Amino acid sequence: DAGVIQSPRHEVTEMGQEVTLRCKPISGHDYLFWYRQTMMRGLELLIYFNNNVPIDDSGMPEDRFSAKMPNASFSTLKIQPSEPRDSAVYFCASRPPDRDSYEQYFGPGTRLTVT
Amino acid sequence: AQKITQTQPGMFVQEKEAVTLDCTYDTSDQSYGLFWYKQPSSGEMIFLIYQGSYDEQNATEGRYSLNFQKARKSANLVISASQLGDSAMYFCAMREDPGGSQGNLIFGKGTKLSVKP
Repeated sequence: DAGVIQSPRHEVTEMGQEVTLRCKPISGHDYLFWYRQTMMRGLELLIYFNNNVPIDDSGMPEDRFSAKMPNASFSTLKIQPSEPRDSAVYFCASRPPDRDSYEQYFGPGTRLTVT
Repeated sequence: AQKITQTQPGMFVQEKEAVTLDCTYDTSDQSYGLFWYKQPSSGEMIFLIYQGSYDEQNATEGRYSLNFQKARKSANLVISASQLGDSAMYFCAMREDPGGSQGNLIFGKGTKLSVKP
């Protein structure tokens, strides 16, 4: 089975540009999580969805960030306008239903650089 | 207060020896879960092992075991017979279940393990 798929793997953009990160969760998983990893702040949860519905977006830094999940197999994280401090690795993770452990399966990440 | 504390920013271990990576946690919930993830230099996050708060036995997965001491609120990862491929960042994480689980994970800052040949 394919794991969590993220695209692009690397993104370099200029300040002020719109950036869209994409994620395809593992088929059958009903939870989807977006994380951001930086050296300073470590791994932070930005937002998560259950059955395509956003449940908790309290980790989203500010209004420049938005996330959608139009169907069970696709999610986007958009930054508009981007700023240099948004440079980080962004991970998407998914989780199967009805599992006691609630372990999350991570995608390979998107390394974003904003110049 | 930090929910997950990993006090060792970096660790060295000789190949074939065992190593313990420390993790302490802070929660007032009775039901929770503890996880360890590995992040090699390639960047992906790899799930290693899980311990539930009600599990009486320490979790084991191959060369990984979790030394769970509930009263001390510690969940140390033990890697036996270290291999060069074990060199990576290791993250401890906790899932809290306040009245109904959502499966959120809170991660520690990580420990960088280097295995010496």
